[in-house]
This record gives sequence, C-alpha cells and structure tokens, in this order.
Amino acid sequence: EVQLVETGGDLIQPGGSLTLSCAASGIIVNLNYMYWVRQAPGKGLEWVSVIHSGGIIHYADSVKGRFTISGDSSKNTLFLQMNNLRAEDTAVYYCARGNYGGYSLDYWGRGTLVTVSS
Amino acid sequence: DIQMTQSPSSVSASVGDRVTITCRASQSISRWLVWYQQKPGKAPKLLIHTASSLESGVPSRFSGSGSGTDFTLTINNLQPEDFATYYCQQSDSFPLTFGGGTKVEI
Repeated sequence: EVQLVETGGDLIQPGGSLTLSCAASGIIVNLNYMYWVRQAPGKGLEWVSVIHSGGIIHYADSVKGRFTISGDSSKNTLFLQMNNLRAEDTAVYYCARGNYGGYSLDYWGRGTLVTVSS
Repeated sequence: DIQMTQSPSSVSASVGDRVTITCRASQSISRWLVWYQQKPGKAPKLLIHTASSLESGVPSRFSGSGSGTDFTLTINNLQPEDFATYYCQQSDSFPLTFGGGTKVEI
C-alpha cells in the first residue's frame, strides 16, 4: 500500500523559511515523478513543483527562486524548502506521485497547512 | 502556459441524475487530460487519466471523453458519495495547470 505523509506545516511570519517533508512508503521516491501541489483556503489546486531522478526539476513561476524541491533516497522522503514566504503562500501543501507518463497524480498525501501571517 | 477553463463552476443535481462537466484547454493537448474528485478536507482523488482511462477502483458511472482542446467528464446515475468538487488538469507539459473546479451539489 502506498502512503505519503506530509509534515512540517506551521504558522510562519512573512519573509520566514520552512521545510516540508513527505515520507513515502510503498513507492521509491527517487524512481518516480514526485510533486508538490498546494491549495489556498477555499481555492483551487495549484501545481508548485516536480522532481524526477532523470534530471527533471520544475517550479511554478510563483515560487521560482524561493522554493527548492529535493529528495532523500536514504529516507525515501521528498522535501520542499520554502524561503522568503509570502501571505499568498498560505495553503495546504500536498505531495503526490506522478504516474501514466508521470504527469497524472495518482497517490496523494493528506496535506500539511502552511500559514504565512504576522 | 496552458490555461484550463472548466464549466460550470457549480451544478445542482439529484441522486440518479447525469452530470456533465466540461474542460477547455487554451491550446491543443491531444488527450493529455486528467480528472480529479475532491471532497472537503480531503486530498484530490484521481478518477480519469489520458482523457478517458478510468483509474482502477473508480466506478464505471464516471467517464471521460474529448481530445485536442475540449473535454468532458460525465457522471451517470449520480450517487450521494459523488457530491464533491471536480478538477481537470492538463498532463501535456509543465507547468501543470488545473481548471478552476466544478462543485457538484445537491
């Protein structure tokens, strides 16, 4: 059974930094397309970032230069380092696995809430 | 970036109804279209990939069609557990983009 468990969400002040983790079981993070997708309160889904061991890393324009995605094979965990956080980054952050060519997200975690506020 | 436009934004329906949701891409994406269902407080659930391929375990009352720029999600014989918000997503290229969502309500 595949499980993705996100942790690290918190209340953080604007300009602050936070690292989210996504511990995976049942899949090998470094062999899959792995994603971060976020959802602001009461809003729709927004793709944030993707990583694949084949050398693929992409970011949404809204986070480029501030967020860094990475994976740790020894811990089978996906990370999202978030710097210079803004109020508009407030959202539930989900990690997900990409399948069927890598771009359809078939397994999702339950999400972790990041609130950026003073 | 490819823009995804869903309609309607909400629809009222009854148990047993057929519901149709449309999704339009701003440029051709062949059949690279995904549908998700999301219930309040839960993560999205993959329903359909590649426009019409039903994910394992998803009831056959869900179906998808379309290619190019115009796509449709159809729910036949709507069940109580189908009341949720549905999102389309293009799986053609990065950045991945989602439609704005369609809330199916009683």
